[in-house]
Amino acid sequence: IAGITQAPTSQILAAGRRMTLRCTQDMRHNAMYWYRQDLGLGLRLIHYSNTAGTTGKGEVPDGYSVSRANTDDFPLTLASAVPSQTSVYFCASSGTSENNEQFFGPGTRLTVL
Amino acid sequence: GQNIDQPTEMTATEGAIVQINCTYQTSGFNGLFWYQQHAGEAPTFLSYNVLDGLEEKGRFSSFLSRSKGYSYLLLKELQMKDSASYLCAAMDSNYQLIWGAGTKLIIKP
Repeated sequence: IAGITQAPTSQILAAGRRMTLRCTQDMRHNAMYWYRQDLGLGLRLIHYSNTAGTTGKGEVPDGYSVSRANTDDFPLTLASAVPSQTSVYFCASSGTSENNEQFFGPGTRLTVL
Repeated sequence: GQNIDQPTEMTATEGAIVQINCTYQTSGFNGLFWYQQHAGEAPTFLSYNVLDGLEEKGRFSSFLSRSKGYSYLLLKELQMKDSASYLCAAMDSNYQLIWGAGTKLIIKP
């Protein structure tokens, strides 16, 4: 793989179910991010990780959790999905948290019914 | 609070020039980014400004005025493929990006 990948591409989920969105990068970037994008709103940061083993909360962390066991993977888990979590989710990475450019994955379109 | 403002939508003609404005208010400032996002796709990086002035990169240029909290993206010789949303984002003192809602640019032949 080259760059940053996400899985699944899209998912329809029943409310109350648990779901993990996967994100993997092969650029050896230290920093990784999870955003959600909703119509009419800017990208909103959910959680981030400046380096493997550390994570932090972004603007809208409630209902989501992350882990960063290694450099490459940064999964996002919805413990008990709710309809307001219907969104497009983008994972991104950058060399460092201060680095200029964030590279984005292709996104996961999640619908919670 | 932190805020990014940019127009919701703009229309321009193929071959023309268009300027997309962005104003920002952030807690601290570590640079201003522009990204392009085609419908249904991921954002891709266009430019980064941290010092005042104009940065030119081919048909695209980006300007920053830190004292005014203002930036613009200038697109020249517009092509149909430039139809996309353009996202302005400011990096705050915690090195987190604060994003605008994006400007949808419609190019007409």
